[in-house]
Amino acid sequence: DAGITQSPRHKVTETGTPVTLRCHQTENHRYMYWYRQDPGHGLRLIHYSYGVKDTDKGEVSDGYSVSRSKTEDFLLTLESATSSQTSVYFCAISGEDRGDYGYTFGSGTRLTVV
Amino acid sequence: AQSVTQLDSQVPVFEEAPVELRCNYSSSVSVYLFWYVQYPNQGLQLLLKYLSGSTLVKGINGFEAEFNKSQTSFHLRKPSVHISDTAEYFCAVSESGTGFQKLVFGTGTRLLVSP
Repeated sequence: DAGITQSPRHKVTETGTPVTLRCHQTENHRYMYWYRQDPGHGLRLIHYSYGVKDTDKGEVSDGYSVSRSKTEDFLLTLESATSSQTSVYFCAISGEDRGDYGYTFGSGTRLTVV
Repeated sequence: AQSVTQLDSQVPVFEEAPVELRCNYSSSVSVYLFWYVQYPNQGLQLLLKYLSGSTLVKGINGFEAEFNKSQTSFHLRKPSVHISDTAEYFCAVSESGTGFQKLVFGTGTRLLVSP
């Protein structure tokens, strides 16, 4: 989607290795979110951010950490990847104006842990 | 806490027929409601949203949804579907009030449109 990009788009990594996914936005939105999408589960919230250096855990945060040092960047790190973290990861943003309510999603990162 | 139930995991329909995708939610507080569409290998795109006001909400691509507070439902409808509407559709809910929304998603409904 315009205004939000995720990198990489695809990644294959080995069990036990650290992995960092990047989300970059150009909308200057305050709120950013990381979700994972798995068949039968829909999308589940991993972590979210209220602003720079202000983050909190979602419902499936175990094994993940995040950082937000700039408004435009929100990083998701898998400290030691496991096969259960094979998934599609989506970043989303939302703003404070009612016209911006509801997320804008990135195109996703497909992560495979072997 | 909020939750969302999409009762139908898959809905097959013929082209030009009407369709309804069902969504029920649970919440002890006022909510915002959303429908998203996901085409294969893409991110989710906002179809429409209910924040307040009229309970009938019109969105993109000819879709509309009706908020029914008494039945805690937000069903998505389209009077005549096209092949290009084949996709997965997600209903989502958040607590109302601010721009910060921890959206809770349903498990999705796959709409399959055939000629």
